[in-house]
Amino acid sequence: KAGVTQTPRYLIKTRGQQVTLSCSPISGHRSVSWYQQTPGQGLQFLFEYFSETQRNKGNFPGRFSGRQFSNSRSEMNVSTLELGDSALYLCASSLTAGVNNEQFFGPGTRLTVL
Amino acid sequence: AQTVTQSQPEMSVQEAETVTLSCTYDTSESDYYLFWYKQPPSRQMILVIRQEAYKQQNATENRFSVNFQKAAKSFSLKISDSQLGDAAMYFCAYRSINTPLVFGKGTRLSVIA
Repeated sequence: KAGVTQTPRYLIKTRGQQVTLSCSPISGHRSVSWYQQTPGQGLQFLFEYFSETQRNKGNFPGRFSGRQFSNSRSEMNVSTLELGDSALYLCASSLTAGVNNEQFFGPGTRLTVL
Repeated sequence: AQTVTQSQPEMSVQEAETVTLSCTYDTSESDYYLFWYKQPPSRQMILVIRQEAYKQQNATENRFSVNFQKAAKSFSLKISDSQLGDAAMYFCAYRSINTPLVFGKGTRLSVIA
């Protein structure tokens, strides 16, 4: 079974632009979560989706948004990019949104904002 | 808010030896899960071991075991017979029905041949 895939793997943008990152979960998984990883702040939760509904949202500004499609694929969008948005963005999928469900992580998208 | 603290930014261990990574957490909830994740240099995060708070028995997965002290809010990871492939960042994490995954800052483990 294929793992979680994220596209693109690397991205360079300039301040003020917007970006869309994509995540394809493991087949059969219906829950997708997104995390931002930076050297300073570590790993921080962005959002969690289950069956196209956002279940949880982390403490990030409204410039960060996401959605999930009927095939469980998910996208996150960051508008008006800032230098501080440079990070590794990780996506994780699980069978359901249950607390005890193991989350399987993708390789991440490395976003650099210049 | 729940917090997870890993007080050891870096650790090293000799191959075949045992190492313990520390983790403490703060919560007022009684039902939750604790996890250790490994992130090798390739960046793909993988689950090492998980512990349910209501289970007193410490979880074990092959060479990996935990020491879960609920009253002390402590959740340490012991790696026995360390191997070169164990070198990675290790993250302790907390999750509950009310709280999505909260990670500690991580411990970078080096394995010396």
